[in-house]
Amino acid sequence: EAGVAQSPRYKIIEKRQSVAFWCNPISGHATLYWYQQILGQGPKLLIQFQNNGVVDDSQLPKDRFSAERLKGVDSTLKIQPAKLEDSAVYLCASSFGTSGSFGYYEQYFGPGTRLTVT
Amino acid sequence: AQSVTQLDSHVSVSEGTPVLLRCNYSSSYSPSLFWYVQHPNKGLQLLLKYTSAATLVKGINGFEAEFKKSETSFHLTKPSAHMSDAAEYFCVVRSETGNQFYFGTGTSLTVIP
Repeated sequence: EAGVAQSPRYKIIEKRQSVAFWCNPISGHATLYWYQQILGQGPKLLIQFQNNGVVDDSQLPKDRFSAERLKGVDSTLKIQPAKLEDSAVYLCASSFGTSGSFGYYEQYFGPGTRLTVT
Repeated sequence: AQSVTQLDSHVSVSEGTPVLLRCNYSSSYSPSLFWYVQHPNKGLQLLLKYTSAATLVKGINGFEAEFKKSETSFHLTKPSAHMSDAAEYFCVVRSETGNQFYFGTGTSLTVIP
């Protein structure tokens, strides 16, 4: 079974530039999550989609971050303009749903995109 | 609100000795708790889960964790450390609704040969 795919794996940009990350979840997973993991910290949820609708974006810095999941499958996370403090690993995860048994709501994580802002 | 606190940012053990990684949780409901491991430049891997069944849960690679409601703890243990256990470990609590996962700050485990 294919896992969660993310690209690119690494990205280096200068501050004030823009960048986009792509995620393709596991087939059949309706729920998709984007996390930010700053060095030395645990992942922090940025946004959660259920199909193509946003469930939770309370921790997304909306002045510079945006995300979409237009067809309810793959998703794009964008930062514009980037700041130095955005340097982090951006993780995408997916699950079948959000309730019921563990096998249904278990989150599967992708390998992440490491962003360095100089 | 729910949260987890990992009490040690770094733990060093000798190979073959026991491992203890500590985690306390805060929750107004009966939580679901997890431990994840992250090896360098690798993705997050689920070690084990507690979802209100047996309080002693067994995971992969010989790891165990015990849910203690009276102590609000969910410590991770392993009887004998292996070199391959060196990694970052995260304690995670699930939200009551919505399936948001809240991660601790992580514990870096070093295994000394």
